[in-house]
Amino acid sequence: NAGVTQTPKFRVLKTGQSMTLLCAQDMNHEYMYWYRQDPGMGLRLIHYSVGEGTTAKGEVPDGYNVSRLKKQNFLLGLESAAPSQTSVYFCASSPPDSGYGYTFGSGTRLTVV
Amino acid sequence: RKEVEQDPGPFNVPEGATVAFNCTYSNSASQSFFWYRQDCRKEPKLLMSVYSSGNEDGRFTAQLNRASQYISLLIRDSKLSDSATYLCVVNKVYDYKLSFGAGTTVTVRA
Repeated sequence: NAGVTQTPKFRVLKTGQSMTLLCAQDMNHEYMYWYRQDPGMGLRLIHYSVGEGTTAKGEVPDGYNVSRLKKQNFLLGLESAAPSQTSVYFCASSPPDSGYGYTFGSGTRLTVV
Repeated sequence: RKEVEQDPGPFNVPEGATVAFNCTYSNSASQSFFWYRQDCRKEPKLLMSVYSSGNEDGRFTAQLNRASQYISLLIRDSKLSDSATYLCVVNKVYDYKLSFGAGTTVTVRA
């Protein structure tokens, strides 16, 4: 049972390049989330999804887009990367009940130069 | 006011010591509370849920004080392997999403 898998684990982009981060979960969770984590700032929610075909904005959505075409996958896209998007990105999934907490992927460390 | 606030620490303690720290939450109607552990450069992992009556899991004890709106984590007989950042997590009211504190860093020294 792999849980939540993120790819890639590391990436270096040049300013203006685009990329897609992939998150896959095998726990049949309805809800999925994308967070970024920066030193001293904790986890900030970028976008989330409450089911296949649905997405919604979180606290810091600007510069990112997402898609959830299949229940098990949640993609995060950067259309034109900026140095301010240098961060560690975590995907998480959960059942609909917040009482179960989230399961996180191992993260993607992104550097934009 | 932040939804969840934590003392960032660091708490530096010797092996075998007891360390305790709190976090405060802003919304009195929150119902779900957790402590997560995050090791350096790794993902957060659920350490334990926090129940109204308080609960233990081995050397870890969590307490909830609804009147003062804080939760606490106590670690007894600290091990070197307990060195990590501990995230306080609370559900957003009327929402399935969780709010994460910025974390409290604990360093256990030999």
